[in-house]
Amino acid sequence: AQKITQTQPGMFVQEKEAVTLDCTYDTSDQSYGLFWYKQPSSGEMIFLIYQGSYDEQNATEGRYSLNFQKARKSANLVISASQLGDSAMYFCAMREGQTGANNLFFGTGTRLTVIP
Amino acid sequence: DTAVSQTPKYLVTQMGNDKSIKCEQNLGHDTMYWYKQDSKKFLKIMFSYNNKELIINETVPNRFSPKSPDKAHLNLHINSLELGDSAVYFCASSKMGDTGELFFGEGSRLTVL
Repeated sequence: AQKITQTQPGMFVQEKEAVTLDCTYDTSDQSYGLFWYKQPSSGEMIFLIYQGSYDEQNATEGRYSLNFQKARKSANLVISASQLGDSAMYFCAMREGQTGANNLFFGTGTRLTVIP
Repeated sequence: DTAVSQTPKYLVTQMGNDKSIKCEQNLGHDTMYWYKQDSKKFLKIMFSYNNKELIINETVPNRFSPKSPDKAHLNLHINSLELGDSAVYFCASSKMGDTGELFFGEGSRLTVL
């Protein structure tokens, strides 16, 4: 079974609007971490936001917020006030278990296009 | 100063050749990784080293051999290259006991002809 599922291969959003990118995860661990990364067309991987499984508040970083619904095992990324520079691939990822030398499992990504 | 740097950024080579990609991090992290991103953009772990010791070795052909001379460096050597090896290879590092956030290099695009 996939550990991370991103069901939206592509999304469009009007500039200045908000957009939600979906992510669901599958783990039996109690301790885990969820991440979102952005990959622009230039190819680098940019860390956006992190949510720990024990964090009670949703994580926020500037225009990014993570809508964490533990019971539904979802960790959606919300981007507010979209900008043209937000056009990129977005990956959801999960660290299973306690922090340590763990690898991250990535979803298949969502390509976001911001329309002027 | 680049935190995680990989060289070369682009590699074009013939089938059957051997090639290496080098990676260095100056973040003081103790864990380093190689990830492969295929043509569909899927990112998958290949190897992970912690303090020069191999700790993750996913199902990767043994033509791929990682080497970690010290905890700041993790190189990837690929023997007898095949067409299916064409991909972008990302080096990354993380700090033990931290959240697990990966700090990525810029990627090395390998094209096998």
